[in-house]
Amino acid sequence: EPEVTQTPSHQVTQMGQEVILRCVPISNHLYFYWYRQILGQKVEFLVSFYNNEISEKSEIFDDQFSVERPDGSNFTLKIRSTKLEDSAMYFCASYGPRRNTIYFGEGSWLTVV
Amino acid sequence: SQQGEEDPQALSIQEGENATMNCSYKTSINNLQWYRQNSGRGLVHLILIRSNEREKHSGRLRVTLDTSKKSSSLLITASRAADTASYFCATNTGFQKLVFGTGTRLLVSP
Repeated sequence: EPEVTQTPSHQVTQMGQEVILRCVPISNHLYFYWYRQILGQKVEFLVSFYNNEISEKSEIFDDQFSVERPDGSNFTLKIRSTKLEDSAMYFCASYGPRRNTIYFGEGSWLTVV
Repeated sequence: SQQGEEDPQALSIQEGENATMNCSYKTSINNLQWYRQNSGRGLVHLILIRSNEREKHSGRLRVTLDTSKKSSSLLITASRAADTASYFCATNTGFQKLVFGTGTRLLVSP
């Protein structure tokens, strides 16, 4: 079964530092997403990306966040100046029309100290 | 906006018993999906049910959908200790985003 892969699996960063989380979506998928899950809470939508542009974003996805698909395979989430409250598990996902299913990666734990 | 709310929040059963989790949502949907999450791990897609379907089976999983009540249930039959996880329902109206529920934590004791 094809997979969405994410790196790093865990990152600890100091408040104010920039973080880039990387994702390799499933190869023939065209829609990409970032979600996050603060410890013990529900999974929250951050942003969706299609045709090299953001198609929808949530209130959480403010100016500190950006996404990019720098080449044909990677999809990145950048947090410019991390805050303590950005500590969460960040999930990348991609959508495949063949099975009409959104597939998630294993997540990247971000701890901001 | 849509919101999925699962109940119960936590469920503790013995191996071999059935586990039923419920999900309610607020707005019209295209489909509803159930995901599983082991502690600290990623989300694993279990099953998708379209808005025009009422019931769907996959192995030991049975999902129902009642669009008139805006609710769904997930039944896991003959549960195993390995089924211990959190289970989330998620709704979407298209490709754009999933809206997740609060999840049910299932504990299956040997």
